[in-house]
Amino acid sequence: DAGVTQSPTHLIKTRGQQVTLRCSPKSGHDTVSWYQQALGQGPQFIFQYYEEEERQRGNFPDRFSGHQFPNYSSELNVNALLLGDSALYLCASSPMLSGGALTQYFGPGTRLTVT
Amino acid sequence: GQQVMQIPQYQHVQEGEDFTTYCNSSTTLSNIQWYKQRPGGHPVFLIQLVKSGEVKKQKRLTFQFGEAKKNSSLHITATQTTDVGTYFCAGTSGTYKYIFGTGTRLKVLA
Repeated sequence: DAGVTQSPTHLIKTRGQQVTLRCSPKSGHDTVSWYQQALGQGPQFIFQYYEEEERQRGNFPDRFSGHQFPNYSSELNVNALLLGDSALYLCASSPMLSGGALTQYFGPGTRLTVT
Repeated sequence: GQQVMQIPQYQHVQEGEDFTTYCNSSTTLSNIQWYKQRPGGHPVFLIQLVKSGEVKKQKRLTFQFGEAKKNSSLHITATQTTDVGTYFCAGTSGTYKYIFGTGTRLKVLA
């Protein structure tokens, strides 16, 4: 049973460019959350997708957008990249449980470097 | 906004010593999760606590959720070198947005 997978593993982009990161959730999981983790800090919630809709959003600008596909996989898009966007981007998938308490399984992440 | 703080920020222990990290939220939480992240790795889910005053054990790890559901702790008995990593708590106040704590980085000296 494959866990959460993310691609690419590493990415180097130039300031002002756009980037798309991809995530395939764990089998049987229908909810995908995206996090940004700067070096030495805890993950910060970007947004969560469920049933192909953005269900919850963190404090990130509109430059950050996403999508969820019918097979539950997801993309994170970041436009007009800034140097401060350099971070590890983590995808977490969750099975839908009653009460909204979501067990989160993280992928290995995509290391984005903006130069 | 909601904040989740952890103390200590760093902890160095001799192998065999105990270790505790504390997690404090500025708001009441509906549930709290604990994760371990090895250097260069990604967070790995350890456990979830939902009930006030709940205590759960996993081998040498003991997790507690405070009575007021605003704090939590993780205690490791007799640390081993395999326990090295950063331990994060993550809580939510009834939404789908999990706020991660600042983390406690554990180093175990053999």
